[in-house]
Amino acid sequence: NAGVTQTPKFQVLKTGQSMTLQCAQDMNHEYMSWYRQDPGMGLRLIHYSVGAGITDQGEVPNGYNVSRSTTEDFPLRLLSAAPSQTSVYFCASSYDRGSHGYTFGSGTRLTVV
Amino acid sequence: AQSVAQPEDQVNVAEGNPLTVKCTYSVSGNPYLFWYVQYPNRGLQFLLKYITGDNLVKGSYGFEAEFNKSQTSFHLKKPSALVSDSALYFCAGHGSSNTGKLIFGQGTTLQVKP
Repeated sequence: NAGVTQTPKFQVLKTGQSMTLQCAQDMNHEYMSWYRQDPGMGLRLIHYSVGAGITDQGEVPNGYNVSRSTTEDFPLRLLSAAPSQTSVYFCASSYDRGSHGYTFGSGTRLTVV
Repeated sequence: AQSVAQPEDQVNVAEGNPLTVKCTYSVSGNPYLFWYVQYPNRGLQFLLKYITGDNLVKGSYGFEAEFNKSQTSFHLKKPSALVSDSALYFCAGHGSSNTGKLIFGQGTTLQVKP
């Protein structure tokens, strides 16, 4: 039982490049979400999904795209990276929309130069 | 709009003394509240949660939290701090009508000195 797995752990991008941050969970959780962590701002919700085929925007969705084709995977796509997207990204999942808590991945540290 | 606030950027306490990290919330419906801890360059570790039930919630590593509905607070406490408790602590939550949209406070750095 691996929990929530994020890849890669570190990434450096040039401005304008695209990439996909991967997130997978093996707990059959219906709910998955992406957050970014910036100093002094806590974690902010980017996008979330309440099940396969269903996604919605969070607090800071601009510049990011998501899809949920399976229960297990919830990739986050940066279509054209900008320096403002330099951050640490966390994926989370939960069963029953939080009643049993949220499990977080170990994070992806992204630097856009 | 929902919000979670941690009024202190940093809390300093001597080892062996009790500690409190403060959190207040504003959510729609019944609150779902959580505390997480983050060590340097690590992910978030779950400490405890309040969904319903007793106002005093016990969690991991000797931590507990007190839910106070009238003051809309969910303060994290520990009777005797350890140097190893030094870390970044996040309060998070959402309302029963917004399940899944977890909102975080800005975090409080806890420094426990020997």
